[in-house]
Amino acid sequence: EIVLTQSPGTLSLSPGERVTLSCRASQSVTNNYFAWYQQRPGQAPRLLIYDVSSRASGIPDRFSGSGSGTDFTLTISRLEPEDFAVYYCQQYSDSWTFGQGTKVEIK
Amino acid sequence: QLQLQESGPGLVKPSETLSLTCTVSGGSITDSRYHWDWIRQSPGKGLEWLGNIYYTGGTYYNPSLQSRVTMSLDTSKNQFSLMLTSVTAADTAVYYCAKGGPTHPAQFDSWGQGILVTVSS
Repeated sequence: EIVLTQSPGTLSLSPGERVTLSCRASQSVTNNYFAWYQQRPGQAPRLLIYDVSSRASGIPDRFSGSGSGTDFTLTISRLEPEDFAVYYCQQYSDSWTFGQGTKVEIK
Repeated sequence: QLQLQESGPGLVKPSETLSLTCTVSGGSITDSRYHWDWIRQSPGKGLEWLGNIYYTGGTYYNPSLQSRVTMSLDTSKNQFSLMLTSVTAADTAVYYCAKGGPTHPAQFDSWGQGILVTVSS
């Protein structure tokens, strides 16, 4: 099983700032089978990015994903108020597992 | 617009079987483009994928839970279901049903609102 480790655990930022979230896999993720989700309080997760860098339907272009192998990144170019949430990475290369999440909170 | 809604008991006794149903509206579970999944979320284990089912009835389960999980379809009601046997307190979680897509079954692009299931006597 591939274990995903997200860092940092919490980020305190202001609206308008640029944010970069990291996710490291315990072994290489193949075929670009990697995704990111956003979860707001009291809601289900929402797919943001799939196949490392493809935005899901309806996701604003301020969200972008990159990476390969064992290191992946989600970037939000300018934080909007609705972006303060928990973000999870996921791999679907070997079984399907999620990271433990990074919380982006208002500073 | 596709919508998913979980239903079932919110409280299950230890050693018993957890049974949940997901009702799909705005789309058909017999659509060959999609798989239908169960995912749970607990404070201790985070997000955990449990398994999925295809319109043919074919299933793919998380290896760590395979011995306790069964999924099924009811095409007449446009529903799919989860059974988890021999539950313990560790199975207490919010359970979500979800749809797999757009290009891979593990890309969960539609989710239900979730249902909290507590395992307690």
